[in-house]
Amino acid sequence: KQEVTQIPAALSVPEGENLVLNCSFTDSAIYNLQWFRQDPGKGLTSLLLIQSSQREQTSGRLNASLDKSSGRSTLYIAASQPGDSATYLCAVRRRAGGSYIPTFGRGTSLIVHP
Amino acid sequence: EAGVTQFPSHSVIEKGQTVTLRCDPISGHDNLYWYRRVMGKEIKFLLHFVKESKQDESGMPNNRFLAERTGGTYSTLKVQPAELEDSGVYFCASSQSGTVSYEQYFGPGTRLTVT
Repeated sequence: KQEVTQIPAALSVPEGENLVLNCSFTDSAIYNLQWFRQDPGKGLTSLLLIQSSQREQTSGRLNASLDKSSGRSTLYIAASQPGDSATYLCAVRRRAGGSYIPTFGRGTSLIVHP
Repeated sequence: EAGVTQFPSHSVIEKGQTVTLRCDPISGHDNLYWYRRVMGKEIKFLLHFVKESKQDESGMPNNRFLAERTGGTYSTLKVQPAELEDSGVYFCASSQSGTVSYEQYFGPGTRLTVT
């Protein structure tokens, strides 16, 4: 059974810091890994999707890496801003029959204060 | 383009009552997913529709939950009768047909409280 752990559970930092959020998973037989952002009362917004054959993906100030063999992914946020405050979720997808079921972590709650 | 919409945004019902949640996916998206997040726990997959067919319903907790997607457009998730442990946020997501690498677009969720 796939288990996804996100560390830390919560993080509070001053604006401008570079951040690393961690995601670990127990079963390396994944199809892809996705990082999401969730704002209070809102749905999930996809940030980055890494296929199992890829090592990293970048979008703006965000960079996500994947080390499938060690069961780890990191989300790097450069020069954090107050607008980055949200909960960040990691989800790994495996194939089960004709479906690709995601397993989510519990998330990292990030607060960036001015 | 309208995103995934869910109705209602909040629902408070008593134990034993029935509640129906609705999800309208993005137009043209054949794949529709339901998820649930119980307080303090991670988001868990419930089921996956491809058009009107249930592709995978392995995450449905028990037979008190019934999901339908008539005509392959909107979907409903009915809980009957509701129990206290059904409280949580129910999310719906949709994606295009084709490869699974197409990203899923999530709705804002329905917060269900069973008292």
